[in-house]
Amino acid sequence: QKEVEQDPGPLSVPEGAIVSLNCTYSNSAFQYFMWYRQYSRKGPELLMYTYSSGNKEDGRFTAQVDKSSKYISLFIRDSQPSDSATYLCAMTRSGNTPLVFGKGTRLSVIA
Amino acid sequence: DAGVTQSPTHLIKTRGQQVTLRCSPKSGHDTVSWYQQALGQGPQFIFQYYEEEERQRGNFPDRFSGHQFPNYSSELNVNALLLGDSALYLCASSMTGRNTEAFFGQGTRLTVV
Repeated sequence: QKEVEQDPGPLSVPEGAIVSLNCTYSNSAFQYFMWYRQYSRKGPELLMYTYSSGNKEDGRFTAQVDKSSKYISLFIRDSQPSDSATYLCAMTRSGNTPLVFGKGTRLSVIA
Repeated sequence: DAGVTQSPTHLIKTRGQQVTLRCSPKSGHDTVSWYQQALGQGPQFIFQYYEEEERQRGNFPDRFSGHQFPNYSSELNVNALLLGDSALYLCASSMTGRNTEAFFGQGTRLTVV
């Protein structure tokens, strides 16, 4: 079993839809949870990170962490065609340890 | 602020050759990590450099080596290239202890033929 599992998709939604992206993990030592967006042929761009369990909101994006279920989510409200990209979840034990990534979910938002 | 810059952007090498990839971290960052991203996969951690020393290493063979210079820039060297080394190589920089806020470069796409 991989440490971080993420459905690779692809996921296709109409413009304006609410998108839900998810990851599960097996290592209970993970404390920090990140979401990255990666456009084709580009490097990953940090969207947001969360420490431990709870919710964090930034504009149209909301990250949720449920450590009891080892499950994290990213919600995108009012999705736009410019949101079309691959979304990578990542997690780590501390600020000094390497990031462990999921495979990424490819999202297409259709106008 | 130029962010994290990597060179070259693309590279084609032959099996058995050696390659050097370069990274300049974001201004103010002193820690550099390298990741390998195969097609359709998430990035995999190779190693991390801080204070010109390799501090942590992922599950990669000794053919992968690196260096960090006094100005915090870094190189990734891969010897005896294999076809399976074809991937996007990503450099990430951060401040010490702040891997959670790492910035990634655009990557170097290496193709081994």
